[in-house]
Amino acid sequence: KNQVEQSPQSLIILEGKNCTLQCNYTVSPFSNLRWYKQDTGRGPVSLTIMTFSENTKSNGRYTATLDADTKQSSLHITASQLSDSASYICVVTPATNAGKSTFGDGTTLTVKP
Amino acid sequence: DAGITQSPRHKVTETGTPVTLRCHQTENHRYMYWYRQDPGHGLRLIHYSYGVKDTDKGEVSDGYSVSRSKTEDFLLTLESATSSQTSVYFCAISDEGRWEKLFFGSGTQLSVL
Repeated sequence: KNQVEQSPQSLIILEGKNCTLQCNYTVSPFSNLRWYKQDTGRGPVSLTIMTFSENTKSNGRYTATLDADTKQSSLHITASQLSDSASYICVVTPATNAGKSTFGDGTTLTVKP
Repeated sequence: DAGITQSPRHKVTETGTPVTLRCHQTENHRYMYWYRQDPGHGLRLIHYSYGVKDTDKGEVSDGYSVSRSKTEDFLLTLESATSSQTSVYFCAISDEGRWEKLFFGSGTQLSVL
């Protein structure tokens, strides 16, 4: 069964600090991995996509990494802001069926002033 | 939210009654999805559609049916609502292609009493 596991489940940091969120997956064959940000009471919004051949991709203060050999990804947030408080969801899409992406449970990040 | 409207935003109903949730898009995207989001489970796919009158089941489809008579509308029906169907329901859309960037609506909070 395809699985996506995220850690930690929740995280509290002070404004201005950096943090790293982890995503491990067993989805195979692999097509792509996305990180989504979900604000409270809203739907998720895509932050970045990683394909098999990509190791690192940045989107402003967000940097995602992918190690396709170990099936691990991370999302690094630099110089956190209060608006970064949200749930971050890792989603992996298999190459065989684009309609059947597997979602992680998410990491809830709280940034405190 | 990328031209996606979900209605209603909130719904309280009684066990055994039928309920229909509506998703309307203005993006002319081919694929439409219904997910439910529950604590500890992440987002789980209920049904999806890859065209008008073309639908397929997701991982948690029991007790749900869908219809898509127009490109822009995707309806989710709970045939006889149960308390286990209390959840937040998200509609999502995506464009053609296997990279599957999902655009989500704002969600419908459904409570079945």
